[in-house]
Order: sequence, then C-alpha cells, then structure tokens
Amino acid sequence: GQQLNQSPQSMFIQEGEDVSMNCTSSSIFNTWLWYKQDPGEGPVLLIALYKAGELTSNGRLTAQFGITRKDSFLNISASIPSDVGIYFCAGRTTSYDKVIFGPGTSLSVIP
Amino acid sequence: ETGVTQSPTHLIKTRGQQVTLRCSSQSGHNTVSWYQQALGQGPQFIFQYYREEENGRGNFPPRFSGLQFPNYSSELNVNALELDDSALYLCASSPVGWQYNEQFFGPGTRLTVL
Repeated sequence: GQQLNQSPQSMFIQEGEDVSMNCTSSSIFNTWLWYKQDPGEGPVLLIALYKAGELTSNGRLTAQFGITRKDSFLNISASIPSDVGIYFCAGRTTSYDKVIFGPGTSLSVIP
Repeated sequence: ETGVTQSPTHLIKTRGQQVTLRCSSQSGHNTVSWYQQALGQGPQFIFQYYREEENGRGNFPPRFSGLQFPNYSSELNVNALELDDSALYLCASSPVGWQYNEQFFGPGTRLTVL
C-alpha cells in the first residue's frame, strides 16, 4: 500500500537556526500536506500543496511539492521555541481519497 | 466559528469491552474522517463519512464502525476491544467540495485498553 517516509526522524537545533525536513513516497500523490502536532492536541495544517513544483510559504515556513510527485520538503527559517513539536507530511491521490500520513519528524529547539 | 470537538478526552476500558467516541464537526463541514494514532506514529485513516454514509475505509477490521448524524456529528464505535486499540483517536472534518479545503482535526480522545 501507499507509504510515506520522513527524514530525519528527530532533530535537535539551536534557536535561530534554519530547519529542513523531507518526505518521500513510493507512489504518486496529487496533494501534499504538512501538519504540526503539539503534545495532547490534534494535528494543525501548516501548508497545502496542489501542483508539482509548487513552492508555498506560510510565514517562516516554506514547503515544496516535488516535480516527481513522490516527494515534498518543509523548511523552517529562524527557528523559535514554539516550533517544537512533531511535523507530519501527508499525501492524497484524489480530492475524495483518504489522506496518508508519514511517521513524523520530531523537532526540538534549544534556546 | 466552533472548531472540531471530541468527547471524551480520555477513556480507560478493558479488553473485550465496547467503546463509543464522539465528534462534532466544524461549522459548515459535512465530511468527517476518523484516524487512529498509536504512540510515536502518524495518524492512520480508519474511515470517512459523507452524507451519513461511509465513504472510504482504511485497513481496519469490521469491529470498527461509525455513524454520521444529520447535523454532521459522528461516532466511532469499537467492539471487542484489544490491547492494541490503545491509541489517540482523531476526528477531522472538511467542507463539501473540499478539493482545496483540507481537513481540520479535533484534539482527540486518548483510549487506553487494559
């Protein structure tokens, strides 16, 4: 079945550093999504991507939809303590299809 | 505008019991999806409801069932609970014609099976 892989599995960075994480799939997706989950809460949508090659920003966050449709990456610039959490990539084939989540990247920011 | 709400927040059951989890979708959203999130993993799709009917199902056994009501709220029922059913259960809602409108998640219900 469809599976997503995320790397790295976890990251420890200094406050102010830039962060880069990526997501790969064995199959094609037509929508890529990036969510952040804080402890004890549900995932919150950060960025949605709908076209191959698309580059979208949301404040300090930038994500890209890979041209092969099998990967995506998320960058966070100038990290701050509230960036701590687990970042999930997710993919969807059609607009009515189920959303497949990756295993997540855990981000820790050292003040 | 009220977001997605779930109840209860936490629940403890024993093996073999049955459980019902509830979800109220965000205002204006008529599609509800349920996910199971085991500790340290990403959410796994259980099923989706649209217009009170199941509209897609993940790789979960029939003892996982659901309902959607006319007001778009939803229930997840799990029968014959097993230890591996211990997880965070997430509900997500989305509006009709949601090609460019993604799912919004509730805070989840933490189920512990002893």
